[in-house]
Amino acid sequence: GIQVEQSPPDLILQEGANSTLRCNFSDSVNNLQWFHQNPWGQLINLFYIPSGTKQNGRLSATTVATERYSLLYISSSQTTDSGVYFCATLKTGANNLFFGTGTRLTVIP
Amino acid sequence: DADVTQTPRNRITKTGKRIMLECSQTKGHDRMYWYRQDPGLGLRLIYYSFDVKDINKGEISDGYSVSRQAQAKFSLSLESAIPNQTALYFCATEGQGSYEQYFGPGTRLTVT
Repeated sequence: GIQVEQSPPDLILQEGANSTLRCNFSDSVNNLQWFHQNPWGQLINLFYIPSGTKQNGRLSATTVATERYSLLYISSSQTTDSGVYFCATLKTGANNLFFGTGTRLTVIP
Repeated sequence: DADVTQTPRNRITKTGKRIMLECSQTKGHDRMYWYRQDPGLGLRLIYYSFDVKDINKGEISDGYSVSRQAQAKFSLSLESAIPNQTALYFCATEGQGSYEQYFGPGTRLTVT
């Protein structure tokens, strides 16, 4: 398989603060996705970003495939941003996503 | 309406019982997947299917079976449930060649 490591494992922020979550992966990939798992367990697609940079409102993501990492930026955090953020990659030639163990974000008012 | 739906959303069953989890999608995707998530961990692949006649084992298929009844439907069965199959189960779909997966809302299964 492929190793997917996320950091930090836990993060506590004051509302309004910014944060950067990191995902390192051990091999070349066809896919990298960021998900937000809300407190009810639902997985919400944030970004499909095998390379480059994308932005969606207060969130943006950058993947540098040649250096095997991706970053998720959250600006002006809100309490509704709380939950677990997963990155998942699809190794080139493989058939399934490999998930990291997630970053648990808690935003306090 | 949700593009990927799962039923039931929650289920409590006893050891030894057979149980089926169902997944339906309206995205028109050929590829469908079943994953399980254990507390504090990411998702792991159980089975996947690239079309109606195609079934493949994932990394943790033991104790599970699947059926692809139609392009839009993919069912996961636990033939004889055991407590360590207590987990959150997700179905996902993917368009051919797109590599981007879309997940259903999950089924929380408890085996007592």
